[in-house]
Parts: sequence; C-alpha cells; structure tokens
Amino acid sequence: DVKVTQSSRYLVKRTGEKVFLECVQDMDHENMFWYRQDPGLGLRLIYFSYDVKMKEKGDIPEGYSVSREKKERFSLILESASTNQTSMYLCASGLFGSRGTGELFFGEGSRLTVL
Amino acid sequence: LAKTTQPISMDSYEGQEVNITCSHNNIATNDYITWYQQFPSQGPRFIIQGYKTKVTNEVASLFIPADRKSSTLSLPRVSLSDTAVYYCLVGDMNTGFQKLVFGTGTRLLVSP
Repeated sequence: DVKVTQSSRYLVKRTGEKVFLECVQDMDHENMFWYRQDPGLGLRLIYFSYDVKMKEKGDIPEGYSVSREKKERFSLILESASTNQTSMYLCASGLFGSRGTGELFFGEGSRLTVL
Repeated sequence: LAKTTQPISMDSYEGQEVNITCSHNNIATNDYITWYQQFPSQGPRFIIQGYKTKVTNEVASLFIPADRKSSTLSLPRVSLSDTAVYYCLVGDMNTGFQKLVFGTGTRLLVSP
C-alpha cells in the first residue's frame, strides 16, 4: 500500500518561529501536494510539485514556501509563523498519466497551533 | 479549472441509500471526476473515479450524465460508519501539472 507519512501529528509553535512540516511518500510518485484544512473552508491548495526541485503555487501560497530536493520528500515551510496559520495541514501524493490514475494518497495530517 | 459545488450537509438513517450530487458546470474534455471520503482527524481517501456514464465498485456507484456537468455519488445502505465528509474533485488525470482544487465537501451524518 502507498504510504504518505507526515512528520508530526501535532505541533505547537510561537508567533514568528520558523516551522517545517515534512512529508514522505514511498511509492515513487512524481506529484506531491500541500493543503490546509479549516472548518467550513474545505481543503485549500498551498503548493504542489510535479518533479524534483519543481514547484507551483496553489491558491493560498502567501506565507509559505516549499522544498522538494528528493522525489519522496516534500517539505512545507512557514518562514515566520502567524496565528492565522493555525490549521490542519495535509500532504498528498499521486501518479498521473500513463503510469497512474491520478488518485491522491493523503497523509494523516499535521495539526499546527501557533500561539 | 472546473469549480465544484456540493451541498454542505446531508442527513440519513442506517440502511438507506444516499445520493450526493456535485455540480461542475465548466468541466473540461480531459477531466475525470473523483470522490473522496474523509473521517475526522484523517486525510481524505479515494472512493471512486469516473469519466462518463456509470461506475460501480464495492463501496459506491458514480453516475455521470451525458453532459458531464454534474455527478452523483451513490452509497447503498449506509451505516453509522459512513458518517464522514465527502469531496468531489474534478481534474485531468493525465497530468499532475495542475491545481487539484477541492470544494468544501458534503458532511454526511448517518443516524441509527
């Protein structure tokens, strides 16, 4: 089975801290995604990556950056955390085109609280 | 990019069939329709995917009319464990170079 692992289920950080959220997948997927989920707003796309070192902005990239140095790992970075970034963060991976169906596999989520 | 619209919530009772409809008026020719289920404190998981007409698997059916501007997820004989949020997602499954944007989902509550 595909496994998408997010490094921390729960984090508590202070305003202004730098925060790293790590995501690792074990199925050689080319595509990886970061979403945040807030009550009543569904899942909102922050960034996605379609290959190593390649990244594209999603709908809400402000305040975030990402890194994809290796195919299996996609990191979300909050350079200076703010209270409005308190949220559930979900990582997903998938395979498209001739090699896949486009099904997204999600991690369990990382619940971040910024004080 | 096709935007999706779903009802915010639905209620049902155990043993009933539940149909959740998703509207996607500007779906593109290459787009597929995929439904996901999410339980609290978990990531969404794939339920079913289709392009046109009807698709059925062991947990659900997906009905897509000829114009493909909407789709209906059908859950037969729901149980309490089907209480979850259901998302429909429209996107081109041939390329990962796209924003895969979820809607706000439908919260299904199944009661005894």
